Amino acid sequence: SQTIHQWPATLVQPVGSPLSLECTVEGTSNPNLYWYRQAAGRGLQLLFYSVGIGQISSEVPQNLSASRPQDRQFILSSKKLLLSDSGFYLCAWRGKGEQYFGPGTRLTVT
Amino acid sequence: AQSVAQPEDQVNVAEGNPLTVKCTYSVSGNPYLFWYVQYPNRGLQFLLKYITGDNLVKGSYGFEAEFNKSQTSFHLKKPSALVSDSALYFCAVRDGNTGGFKTIFGAGTRLFVKA
Repeated sequence: SQTIHQWPATLVQPVGSPLSLECTVEGTSNPNLYWYRQAAGRGLQLLFYSVGIGQISSEVPQNLSASRPQDRQFILSSKKLLLSDSGFYLCAWRGKGEQYFGPGTRLTVT
Repeated sequence: AQSVAQPEDQVNVAEGNPLTVKCTYSVSGNPYLFWYVQYPNRGLQFLLKYITGDNLVKGSYGFEAEFNKSQTSFHLKKPSALVSDSALYFCAVRDGNTGGFKTIFGAGTRLFVKA
């Protein structure tokens, strides 16, 4: 069966510091992968999606970037964090139409 | 462009009573519709989906949803609510015609089930 991992689970970073969040999927190949941000426990904002290695589509111009160095690895990065980057970051892969989400990373920028 | 509306921020229901969480959508092609549930500090869990076929779709934990094309709605229902159903529920849509990669999520509805 398929499993999706995210780490770290929680992160507290100062403004201006770099960021790297990692997501890996097991049990499937060539998945469509997604990064979402959820603010204040409500709606999901699609940040990036990827249909293959090295292929990244950005939905919202902002302080973040994404990379897919391997088939089942999706990384979210920032060179300098802003206060507004705080939130709950979710990685997902798409199965037969529906999406399966990782456990999320709670990022607090101080 | 696709969009999803969940008109209620919060739904309150007593345990044992039926529950409905509302969702309406807009999509240019054929809608692929989904419901997800989120418990505190957790990722979203897939509940059910409508792609094609019967308008009444059954999913996990006794939930079901009815696709209504004329009203562009996909309301989530359960005949008898449990306290453990209390969570945040998201409706989502994807345009099936374009084969698009993007799924658009609603803002979420918080369900409170009182014992």
